[in-house]
Amino acid sequence: ETGVTQSPTHLIKTRGQQVTLRCSSQSGHNTVSWYQQALGQGPQFIFQYYREEENGRGNFPPRFSGLQFPNYSSELNVNALELDDSALYLCASSFPGTNEKLFFGSGTQLSVL
Amino acid sequence: SQKIEQNSEALNIQEGKTATLTCNYTNYSPAYLQWYRQDPGRGPVFLLLIRENEKEKRKERLKVTFDTTLKQSLFHITASQPADSATYLCAPTNSGNTPLVFGKGTRLSVIA
Repeated sequence: ETGVTQSPTHLIKTRGQQVTLRCSSQSGHNTVSWYQQALGQGPQFIFQYYREEENGRGNFPPRFSGLQFPNYSSELNVNALELDDSALYLCASSFPGTNEKLFFGSGTQLSVL
Repeated sequence: SQKIEQNSEALNIQEGKTATLTCNYTNYSPAYLQWYRQDPGRGPVFLLLIRENEKEKRKERLKVTFDTTLKQSLFHITASQPADSATYLCAPTNSGNTPLVFGKGTRLSVIA
């Protein structure tokens, strides 16, 4: 077990709705990254938070947004859901200021109907 | 643009043989390269990290090489076991807090 927990584990939404996914980092980690993994693909980087500030963003539209809280837990929000947003969403934490050795949660499986 | 290629989407080998997985990258100058294992429906798990000034790194039955001239890393599992069956992901990484970018992965099946 990595100590990174994600909730919920599974979620079903309809197109156009909004969703919030949550992540609790491993103790002592202040860097959190979010990834989207479609079936049969590698994880795609969405964005990263470091000390509550966004610190890098992948090729995802603005309807993907996030937050990091003072206790280093994090949220991923997706507005105006589209069918293609169906994927496994992974949260990963790492030691302060580095992306050496990411600790991943088990993910949230999102289905958009 | 930066590109990561991992050899064949799927690799089948017999138990006891050595599995060799390849990770090639272009338009990168990574300071280090990481390998992760992912089981179905689970998040990736860190296996090994090799730095640009290291040629080879070992951990139990795992061996990783890193050739910055060829822009390639090889990942070997010796004496493979059915429990090694999983998808293996590579991530060449620039230094500091640069976000990890993963390849598509290679799905390894070890047949008893």
